[in-house]
Amino acid sequence: DTEVTQTPKHLVMGMTNKKSLKCEQHMGHRAMYWYKQKAKKPPELMFVYSYEKLSINESVPSRFSPECPNSSLLNLHLHALQPEDSALYLCASSPNPWASGVGETQYFGPGTRLLVL
Amino acid sequence: AQSVTQLGSHVSVSEGALVLLRCNYSSSVPPYLFWYVQYPNQGLQLLLKYTSAATLVKGINGFEAEFKKSETSFHLTKPSAHMSDAAEYFCAVSDQGEYGNKLVFGAGTILRVKS
Repeated sequence: DTEVTQTPKHLVMGMTNKKSLKCEQHMGHRAMYWYKQKAKKPPELMFVYSYEKLSINESVPSRFSPECPNSSLLNLHLHALQPEDSALYLCASSPNPWASGVGETQYFGPGTRLLVL
Repeated sequence: AQSVTQLGSHVSVSEGALVLLRCNYSSSVPPYLFWYVQYPNQGLQLLLKYTSAATLVKGINGFEAEFKKSETSFHLTKPSAHMSDAAEYFCAVSDQGEYGNKLVFGAGTILRVKS
């Protein structure tokens, strides 16, 4: 099973709301990723977790708060977002920890389409 | 740091015609190269991956890519386009500089298939 699942598929939120995105994989992968993709652009890396610990934060604003409760689950907590944060948020995973997994395939989920009003 | 450049933001072909999507890489070390496809409103799906085992890489859905070191290219081809191939295609390289498994994506090429 090479599937990464994400919920919800679509999310509309106001700038004062708090919401969370969820990502799950059951492939035993040790690295998990959050990407942001604006329309007509490639994905941009936001965060990387290895062994449930944050390895990389690509200078993402604090209104985005990642969490990795266990090896299969990755959350992205959203608070006080801006309209420019509207995008497709993609989760991915790869087999080995971040630092040792150079060149490994990243498996992507279907994404959550977020609209901030 | 490694990078990739995709030539042509839009490519249009007729159904049954050859598909050629161009990707050039910049890397100081032997690269890991990927092609991903993204259908509308979906995530990214791996088409194929180059890992130096063979210069001609066969992927899913009839796609293949050839690694040419002399040209620093990794172009994606398919002999005969289907309507279902219409999607956006991203070339990517695994950055082996400061980071671990970081993917650096090209800008993407939207493939349109005409009937």
